[in-house]
Amino acid sequence: DIQLTQSPSTLPASLGERVTISCRASQSISNSLNWYQQKPDGTVKRLIYSTSTLESGVPSRFSGSGSGTDYSLSISSLESEDFAMYYCLQYATYPYTFGAGTKLELK
Amino acid sequence: EVQLVETGGSLVQPGKSLKLTCATSGFTFSNAWMHWVRQSPEKQLEWVAQIKAKSNNYATYYAESVKGRFTISRDDSKSSVYLQMNSLKEEDTAIYYCTVAAFAYWGQGTLVTVSS
Repeated sequence: DIQLTQSPSTLPASLGERVTISCRASQSISNSLNWYQQKPDGTVKRLIYSTSTLESGVPSRFSGSGSGTDYSLSISSLESEDFAMYYCLQYATYPYTFGAGTKLELK
Repeated sequence: EVQLVETGGSLVQPGKSLKLTCATSGFTFSNAWMHWVRQSPEKQLEWVAQIKAKSNNYATYYAESVKGRFTISRDDSKSSVYLQMNSLKEEDTAIYYCTVAAFAYWGQGTLVTVSS
């Protein structure tokens, strides 16, 4: 199975700050990576697909990049609604796997 | 608007069975590849199963942790996907989500608790 190591597990940050979340795969996943945001009520929203394509309606302050085994999600200027859990997902190979999550919290 | 509504979650004893349903609307269900994903109480997400469309012979795939115990199925006439869960274990306790379109859309989830 492909392991996804997501870091950090917790990210304290301030409004307006730029933050980056990392997702490292145990083997190449050929850009087959999505990023998700989960709110406390359990709602899951896809932010980025295929490494860097922004989902329709998602603010442009979100961006994704990476290749091979190393991927990242960046938020350029944090707004209050961005404080949530974030997960990466690889769909290159069965079984599909998720990172352990990053809790983005207000500093 | 794509909608996915999961139902069927409940408290069940270890070794028992439970069937989850995901009713969908807002897209062409018969062409869609459907997934079940679960989230443990520790918040870890785990892909559980996938079923492809009729054109793909309804091929199914499972996580090793549920293979032989869980069965994913679909009814295109009802735009619904199901997860039959047998021989449930305490570690199957989770919120179960259905998702579609390469995990683009997710339901609100249904809680399954396995405990004696």
